[in-house]
Amino acid sequence: QVQLQESGPGLMKPSETLSLTCSVSGVSIGDTSYYWAWVRQSPRTGLEWFGSIYYSGSTNYNPSLKSRVTISVDTSKNQFSLQLTSVTAADTAVYFCARHVGLSAAEDYFDYWGHGTLVTVSS
Amino acid sequence: QALLTQPPSVSGAPGQRVTISCTGTTSSIGANYDVHWYQQRPGTAPKLLIYVNFNRPSGVPDRFSGSKSGASAYLAITDLQAEDEAVYYCQSYDSNLGGLWVFGEGTKLTVL
Repeated sequence: QVQLQESGPGLMKPSETLSLTCSVSGVSIGDTSYYWAWVRQSPRTGLEWFGSIYYSGSTNYNPSLKSRVTISVDTSKNQFSLQLTSVTAADTAVYFCARHVGLSAAEDYFDYWGHGTLVTVSS
Repeated sequence: QALLTQPPSVSGAPGQRVTISCTGTTSSIGANYDVHWYQQRPGTAPKLLIYVNFNRPSGVPDRFSGSKSGASAYLAITDLQAEDEAVYYCQSYDSNLGGLWVFGEGTKLTVL
């Protein structure tokens, strides 16, 4: 079955760059039917879509985060990654990776999610 | 910031029916973008419950149903059971601000 698993640091200092990786199993990340997404959840922002990537490397980013976010894909490892620069306490959240069913922008949704990883930003 | 508005909480007794609303804007649900619903129990990831307005993934009981009208969408849960207690989120697309996928604020369902 499809499974996603996030990995990365749990604790960071302000101004550092957050790097998270999502390992995918049960489906090829190169499957042309899907994008692959990052979503975070905090009491402050609720569920917030970060961005999505296609196996080809084509990306869509949340406009409010675009200047700090990079999402990349490694099809050989069946993984995709998130980088968020210049983190602050406001970036403290649970970060989820998810499979993004991309039919068209009007219809897109997220059908499989990782368990999530808590990232805390504190000096 | 794009916004889908949900009531903070709803409640019902076992066996009853509850409805959760999700109101968007003219750049989201009102622009005819589809709505999807997720269930999140404490400490777990959101689980897809309804996709493209009214479709249920395999394994989701038919007690859960979705509908959409104008700029709003609705999740109905019939024959409430204790295991339905969770937070429910709607999700859609918003063409404002360059375009992004957005979630509602979440509705906490309490089974009395």
